[in-house]
Amino acid sequence: QKEVEQDPGPLSVPEGAIVSLNCTYSNSAFQYFMWYRQYSRKGPELLMYTYSSGNKEDGRFTAQVDKSSKYISLFIRDSQPSDSATYLCAMSRGDNAGKSTFGDGTTLTVKP
Amino acid sequence: ETGVTQTPRHLVMGMTNKKSLKCEQHLGHNAMYWYKQSAKKPLELMFVYSLEERVENNSVPSRFSPECPNSSHLFLHLHTLQPEDSALYLCASSPSGRAGTDTQYFGPGTRLTVL
Repeated sequence: QKEVEQDPGPLSVPEGAIVSLNCTYSNSAFQYFMWYRQYSRKGPELLMYTYSSGNKEDGRFTAQVDKSSKYISLFIRDSQPSDSATYLCAMSRGDNAGKSTFGDGTTLTVKP
Repeated sequence: ETGVTQTPRHLVMGMTNKKSLKCEQHLGHNAMYWYKQSAKKPLELMFVYSLEERVENNSVPSRFSPECPNSSHLFLHLHTLQPEDSALYLCASSPSGRAGTDTQYFGPGTRLTVL
């Protein structure tokens, strides 16, 4: 069983929709939770970073962590065609030389 | 544009060739990473260097040989590769590479094709 499971997608939504991207994990030692966005033919870029449980908002993006359920989400409000990309969740313990465990990624397409 | 650059961006090589991938970070970070990204597979961590010391080697075949001469530069030396090694090779850096936040900054990748 994988340590991190990510909703496989692909996901296709109309412009303006609210998007929910989700990951579950099995390792209760994870403390740091990240979301990366990867456009086609580019490297991943850090989108959001959260420590422990709670919510974090940045513009149209909200990252949510529920450690009791071992579940994290990324919400995108008022989605735009420019949000079309693959989204990767990642997690780390924070004590092991910077090693993160990544999900497989969810590919999102926002249609105009 | 990120503070992590990779060259070349595209590389085609035969199985008997020897080539090297180069990564440079301009962020003042202390840790650098090599990842392999294949189609429809998650990112695979290959090597981690923290303060120029290799601290992680995920059972990568010996035909991949990393080199970290200083905290800003990272190389991946390739020799006698196999077609299944064709993938996007990503370099990343992070501030500490030790305890604490592990937010990594990725380069654009090198698209490698092995014939």
